[in-house]
Amino acid sequence: EPEVTQTPSHQVTQMGQEVILRCVPISNHLYFYWYRQILGQKVEFLVSFYNNEISEKSEIFDDQFSVERPDGSNFTLKIRSTKLEDSAMYFCASAPRVLSNYEQYFGPGTRLTVT
Amino acid sequence: EDKVVQSPLSLVVHEGDTVTLNCSYEVTNFRSLLWYKQEKKAPTFLFMLTSSGIEKKSGRLSSILDKKELFSILNITATQTGDSAVYLCAVYTSGTYKYIFGTGTRLKVLA
Repeated sequence: EPEVTQTPSHQVTQMGQEVILRCVPISNHLYFYWYRQILGQKVEFLVSFYNNEISEKSEIFDDQFSVERPDGSNFTLKIRSTKLEDSAMYFCASAPRVLSNYEQYFGPGTRLTVT
Repeated sequence: EDKVVQSPLSLVVHEGDTVTLNCSYEVTNFRSLLWYKQEKKAPTFLFMLTSSGIEKKSGRLSSILDKKELFSILNITATQTGDSAVYLCAVYTSGTYKYIFGTGTRLKVLA
């Protein structure tokens, strides 16, 4: 069964460093998402991406964040200068289409720890 | 502001019990409501509901949506320890490209 994959599973970085989180969505999916979940808190929407551009972003997704689909298969989230409060689990998700009858599939997540 | 509220926040039951989890929402341009189960890591999809009053069922799990009263329930009958997880509700609204998640209900089923 096709699945969304994410690498790395755990990333430890120092404050101020740049990190890139990688995702490979399901191959025939068209819509891609990043979410984060701070430990013990709810899943929060960061950004959605369609047709090689951002469709929507939340207030969390500030200038420190960017997304890219560099080669038609990978979907990356970059945090330019990490802060302690960026420590969270980051989930990538993909969906075949944005209509009433679709499912959103989540990857296993990358745990980002900023020290 | 759009919001999704789940209750209870946590629940402890014994194997064999039946549980009902609640999700209420206040959003503009509701399109669909989704239930997920989150164990150790990523949420896994359970149900998607778009129409009122139509029950979706999968084994011991079932869910229904009430678009007039703006809520959904997730029922789990004959609970098992493997049902222990956080159950997430998310709402998708048309005109946007995002899902709004509730805080989740943490269910613990004791043997």
